[in-house]
Amino acid sequence: KNEVEQSPQNLTAQEGEFITINCSYSVGISALHWLQQHPGGGIVSLFMLSSGKKKHGRLIATINIQEKHSSLHITASHPRDSAVYICAVRYNYGGSQGNLIFGKGTKLSVKP
Amino acid sequence: DVKVTQSSRYLVKRTGEKVFLECVQDMDHENMFWYRQDPGLGLRLIYFSYDVKMKEKGDIPEGYSVSREKKERFSLILESASTNQTSMYLCASGSSEQYFGPGTRLTVT
Repeated sequence: KNEVEQSPQNLTAQEGEFITINCSYSVGISALHWLQQHPGGGIVSLFMLSSGKKKHGRLIATINIQEKHSSLHITASHPRDSAVYICAVRYNYGGSQGNLIFGKGTKLSVKP
Repeated sequence: DVKVTQSSRYLVKRTGEKVFLECVQDMDHENMFWYRQDPGLGLRLIYFSYDVKMKEKGDIPEGYSVSREKKERFSLILESASTNQTSMYLCASGSSEQYFGPGTRLTVT
C-alpha cells in the first residue's frame, strides 16, 4: 500500500528556533502538499510542490524526487506556528482524479 | 477567496439515527471530497465526486453514502449512525489543490 510517513510525530520548540518536519513516500508522485491545521479543525494549504523548493514568508518547502522525500522548514518559529502540519501526496497511478494520500501529521508546539 | 462551508461545526446524534452532513463550495469546482480524521490515523477518504450525480468510493466508504445533486453541494449521509462513526468530518473541493471546510465534529452516543 502506498504510504506517506511523517517525522517527527510531535515536536516542541522554543520561540525563534529553526524547525524541520520531514515527509517520505514510497513511489512516484505527481505532487506533494503541505497543509496546516490549527486547533479547531480548519485545514489550510501551505504549499503544493512537484519539484525543487518554494518559500512563503518564514516557511520553506523542499522536495527531492529521487529520494522521495520532502521537508517543511519554519525559520524564526513563533507560538502562532503551533499547529498540526500534514504532508499529502498524489501518486502517479491510473485512477480517479484528485485523490490525496495523507500522512498522520506532525504536531508542533512553539513555546514563548 | 475560495469558501467551503459545512452545515454544522458540532453534532451529537444517537446510535441508529440518520445523519446528514452538508458541504457547499462557491468556486465552481468539479471535484468534491469527504474525509474523516481520527487521532493517530490522519485523514482518510470516504467518498468523492468529480461531477454532479457522479460519486466514487474512497478508502473507507462502509456505513456512508453521498449525494451530489448540484455542483456546489456534496452531502455525506450516515444511514444508521454507530458509535464508531464518532469522528471529525472534513469536506474539501478542488482538483490540483484542495480547499477544506472547517470540519464537523460528530459524536454518536
